[in-house]
Amino acid sequence: DARVTQTPRHKVTEMGQEVTMRCQPILGHNTVFWYRQTMMQGLELLAYFRNRAPLDDSGMPKDRFSAEMPDATLATLKIQPSEPRDSAVYFCASGLGPFNPGTDTQYFGPGTRLTVL
Amino acid sequence: QQQVKQSPQSLIVQKGGISIINCAYENTAFDYFPWYQQFPGKGPALLIAIRPDVSEKKEGRFTISFNKSAKQFSLHIMDSQPGDSATYFCAAALDRGSTLGRLYFGRGTQLTVWP
Repeated sequence: DARVTQTPRHKVTEMGQEVTMRCQPILGHNTVFWYRQTMMQGLELLAYFRNRAPLDDSGMPKDRFSAEMPDATLATLKIQPSEPRDSAVYFCASGLGPFNPGTDTQYFGPGTRLTVL
Repeated sequence: QQQVKQSPQSLIVQKGGISIINCAYENTAFDYFPWYQQFPGKGPALLIAIRPDVSEKKEGRFTISFNKSAKQFSLHIMDSQPGDSATYFCAAALDRGSTLGRLYFGRGTQLTVWP
């Protein structure tokens, strides 16, 4: 049963520390999305990649957030320095693009719950 | 700016009742409308989806109704069960341009089905 994996599942850190979240997309998927979920904003798209190249990262605060795909099996989201307002659940999703709407979808990982004190 | 507006924010339904969640959009270029279901501690998962060339799609107890002229679509859950208690997100997507595959999500509806 292929699934997206994310590590760590939970992270508690102090303000100012660097946080790195990792995602392993489903094997063969060439599109990876990073979302942030909060009660106030719901699901926000931070960035997404196709074939490891960034397609859109306009949802990401550039001064502290960075997203990369070092290889096809690993996507990373880094926050440096972290702030309390970054506390949220971060989801990675993968899919096969370019999408054919109606037949393709995004598969979400279980998320990383980040708490910044 | 929220591209997809979803209501209500929360919904409480008696077991066996009908749950209805509504969404509206502005961008007429959207042509794929999925619904995602999310249980606590889990990531969202695709539940059902529709293209604008049909007005209704049914899968088991779940039905999407689509009104292209009104730019609205809704999820109906018939015979709602306690196991349906979850957060439901509507979404919309384009199939043109570099945003291919990007989903625009509504804010979510927290559904509680009482036994």
